[in-house]
Amino acid sequence: QSVLTQPPSASGTPGQRVTISCSGSSSNIGDNYVYWYQQLPGTAPKLLIYRSNQRPSGVPDRFSGSKSGTSASLAISGLRSEDEADYYCAAWDDSLSAVLFGGGTKLTVL
Amino acid sequence: QVQLQQWGAGLLKPSETLSLTCAVYGGSFRGYYWSWIRQPPGKGLEWIGEINDSGSTNYSPSLKSRVTISVDTSKNQFSLRLNSVTAADTAIYYCARSLTVVTHLLGYWGQGTPVTVSS
Repeated sequence: QSVLTQPPSASGTPGQRVTISCSGSSSNIGDNYVYWYQQLPGTAPKLLIYRSNQRPSGVPDRFSGSKSGTSASLAISGLRSEDEADYYCAAWDDSLSAVLFGGGTKLTVL
Repeated sequence: QVQLQQWGAGLLKPSETLSLTCAVYGGSFRGYYWSWIRQPPGKGLEWIGEINDSGSTNYSPSLKSRVTISVDTSKNQFSLRLNSVTAADTAIYYCARSLTVVTHLLGYWGQGTPVTVSS
């Protein structure tokens, strides 16, 4: 069981806005930045959001991240079929001295 | 552009030792954290551990007793050894580099190496 908690699934129709939550604790999300990764089927994960709300070059501004207290969220607006993928949150844990991943959320575009 | 290329044995028998190596091309090797992550079939990502160019390591508490990560700065490579493997260690194994020198979190990933443990 992952220390960072994500819903196992999410869905939306093209054009909609969906959000994926990630819940942690004071030793990880509460005290550190959150990173989000997108994993398309059969490929390695790709960095989507870093430092909780920053987008790497090349990531569309339809993707946004936020953090409040011990929780974080990834929002995807203007949903497109190519957004169908698994999404993972991650954060450093000060108590464990380890990188923690959420269990992942499978996004389906209906 | 940073590229990570990984290789190693893809089929092991129970009790054997898993051994993978990751070579880094482009960018500096120094100052960053170099991690191994795995993903069992149909499951999520699990961080295994990390090393920096000084050889300082951090490991997942659940795997610490069986894992060794080492670095060879002369070759810009780092390696993973996992002892006494079982079927539960069957997974795709990824190497990765931290995004910057001030974070442990991952910015660049290798292509992944599938490893199967079966008698």
